[in-house]
Amino acid sequence: AQTVTQSQPEMSVQEAETVTLSCTYDTSESNYYLFWYKQPPSRQMILVIRQEAYKQQNATENRFSVNFQKAAKSFSLKISDSQLGDTAMYFCAFMKHGGNNDMRFGAGTRLTVKP
Amino acid sequence: DTGVSQDPRHKITKRGQNVTFRCDPISEHNRLYWYRQTLGQGPEFLTYFQNEAQLEKSRLLSDRFSAERPKGSFSTLEIQRTEQGDSAMYLCASSLGSALLNEKLFFGSGTQLSVL
Repeated sequence: AQTVTQSQPEMSVQEAETVTLSCTYDTSESNYYLFWYKQPPSRQMILVIRQEAYKQQNATENRFSVNFQKAAKSFSLKISDSQLGDTAMYFCAFMKHGGNNDMRFGAGTRLTVKP
Repeated sequence: DTGVSQDPRHKITKRGQNVTFRCDPISEHNRLYWYRQTLGQGPEFLTYFQNEAQLEKSRLLSDRFSAERPKGSFSTLEIQRTEQGDSAMYLCASSLGSALLNEKLFFGSGTQLSVL
C-alpha cells in the first residue's frame, strides 16, 4: 500500500520569503506521479504542481518548484517570494501509474504567510 | 468553463436519514471521482467513473453508500441511514482522460455533511 507523510502540520513564512514544505512517501512502484495541491478556505483543491517519477528534472511552475529525490522517496515543495494568497492547506499526493486511479493524499500542511 | 460544481455546499441531517449529493463536472470531462475528507486529514478516494461506468470503489465505500452517473455527465452520491461517522467533506473531481496522462484533476468546493 502507498502512504504519504507530511511531517509539518503547520508552517509560517514572512511575505516575500521562501518556504519549503516536506513530503515523503512509501511505495514499491517504480513508475508513479506526485502532486502538490493547495486548498484555500474555500475548500476547493487546486493543483499546484505535478512530477512524473521517471523524469529526473524537478518540476517548476512560476514561484513553485519541487525537490524530487526518488531514492529517498522525498518530494518537497518550495515556494519562493511567498504571497499572502499562498496561505492555505497544502497536500502532497501520490498516484501509481496505470490501473488504479486512487490518488493518496497526505494529512496536509497548513501554511500561513505573514505580512 | 465554470469548474466542478457541487450541491449543496452544506447539509445537516439527523442520524438515520438518507442524504444525496450532486456533482456537475466540467463539461466534456469523462472521468469523475468522489473523495471524502475529514478535519485534519487529506482526501480519501471513494469511487471513480469513466463516463457512466463506475470502474472502481474503495473499501471505504460501505453498502450504505451508492454513487451513480446515469448519463455520463452529473453524478450523485447517496448515503443511506447516515451515521455520525459519515460527517465529513465530500469532494468531487473530474478530468478529461486520465490524471496520469498530463490531465489535471479539477476539484469542486465540496459538500460539508454534518450528521447529528
